[in-house]
Amino acid sequence: NAGVTQTPKFQVLKTGQSMTLQCAQDMNHEYMSWYRQDPGMGLRLIHYSVGAGITDQGEVPNGYNVSRSTTEDFPLRLLSAAPSQTSVYFCASSYFRQGTEAFFGQGTRLTVV
Amino acid sequence: KNEVEQSPQNLTAQEGEFITINCSYSVGISALHWLQQHPGGGIVSLFMLSSGKKKHGRLIATINIQEKHSSLHITASHPRDSAVYICAVNTGNQFYFGTGTSLTVIP
Repeated sequence: NAGVTQTPKFQVLKTGQSMTLQCAQDMNHEYMSWYRQDPGMGLRLIHYSVGAGITDQGEVPNGYNVSRSTTEDFPLRLLSAAPSQTSVYFCASSYFRQGTEAFFGQGTRLTVV
Repeated sequence: KNEVEQSPQNLTAQEGEFITINCSYSVGISALHWLQQHPGGGIVSLFMLSSGKKKHGRLIATINIQEKHSSLHITASHPRDSAVYICAVNTGNQFYFGTGTSLTVIP
């Protein structure tokens, strides 16, 4: 996963705090996305982007904001953290072509207390 | 509604056993991916398939597009194969993920 850098790896927040999870890739991928992984559930799509300046909502977008000002970066913002946002978050990127491989970040384990 | 179903959810095997993990999907896809996630670790792509079969070391992945089914096989399993294996499909617009199969290989 050398091409996708995701930070931080761990974070503890208090309810109501805000924070930004960083995601950067150096492969010139058009498509970037954020997922959350919860026990007993598959990865669920939060937001995605098909290119700089273009973002769209996924399956579970509430409470999260994204922006894509450059091809390389796709930060995920938690506006006012809630305990329900305790999860493991993954950023992924790929070319926006059929049948291309996806690359994942190392994950961020977020706990909201 | 789960677009991707995996089985089994949990699997325990003795070292050396042949292992099969199955994946069925209900959407049209451009490719299917098998991913590996070690405890506390990130996600690594093992295979990307759009047809047929691929082999990498002791790992073999097959896909039947008509039946919308894929299998991941591990031959001569080893404790270091212990991980969660995730099936994901790419519809061209987004990925859908299975809930994963947790594999434990006992020495």
